[in-house]
Amino acid sequence: ETGVTQSPTHLIKTRGQQVTLRCSSQSGHNTVSWYQQALGQGPQFIFQYYREEENGRGNFPPRFSGLQFPNYSSELNVNALELDDSALYLCASSVGTSGGWEQYFGPGTRLTVT
Amino acid sequence: DAKTTQPNSMESNEEEPVHLPCNHSTISGTDYIHWYRQLPSQGPEYVIHGLTSNVNNRMASLAIAEDRKSSTLILHRATLRDAAVYYCTTDGGGADGLTFGKGTHLIIQP
Repeated sequence: ETGVTQSPTHLIKTRGQQVTLRCSSQSGHNTVSWYQQALGQGPQFIFQYYREEENGRGNFPPRFSGLQFPNYSSELNVNALELDDSALYLCASSVGTSGGWEQYFGPGTRLTVT
Repeated sequence: DAKTTQPNSMESNEEEPVHLPCNHSTISGTDYIHWYRQLPSQGPEYVIHGLTSNVNNRMASLAIAEDRKSSTLILHRATLRDAAVYYCTTDGGGADGLTFGKGTHLIIQP
């Protein structure tokens, strides 16, 4: 059984640019959530996708957007990058959206904005 | 999801039990209590979760207070590999995701 994978591992972008991060969910999981983790902080919820639809969103501006594909893989897009967007971006997959399901996290993508 | 409060750090000795506390006084009746841990440069790893009753799995035990306003993660016999940041979170399901605080940095002394 393949776990959650993310690409790329590291990325350096310039302020104002756009970035796309990718996530492959664990086999059998139809729900993907994205989190942003600043240095020394806990992860912060960005949004969740369930069966290709955005199912919920945290306190992040519209320049953070996403997609989920029929195979349940997902993308996180960030437009007009700001220096504060520098963080570890994590995706997590689960079997469903109920609070009773555990989430399985990928290793993350480290984004640096200069 | 309820806000959680945990000690910033705890220290324990190898091969001894560890009790990690968490307060979640604003938890609602349908929120699950989840614990995750994170090693440096890795994503969080699921540890255990529960709703009302105490739970056991191969990694740990979760003791939930009767009023559900607090819980304790129990590592029965700590090893050096258990050194990590432990996050207590709540999850009401649906669209809110997991709400993480800063977690407890667990240090294991050999």
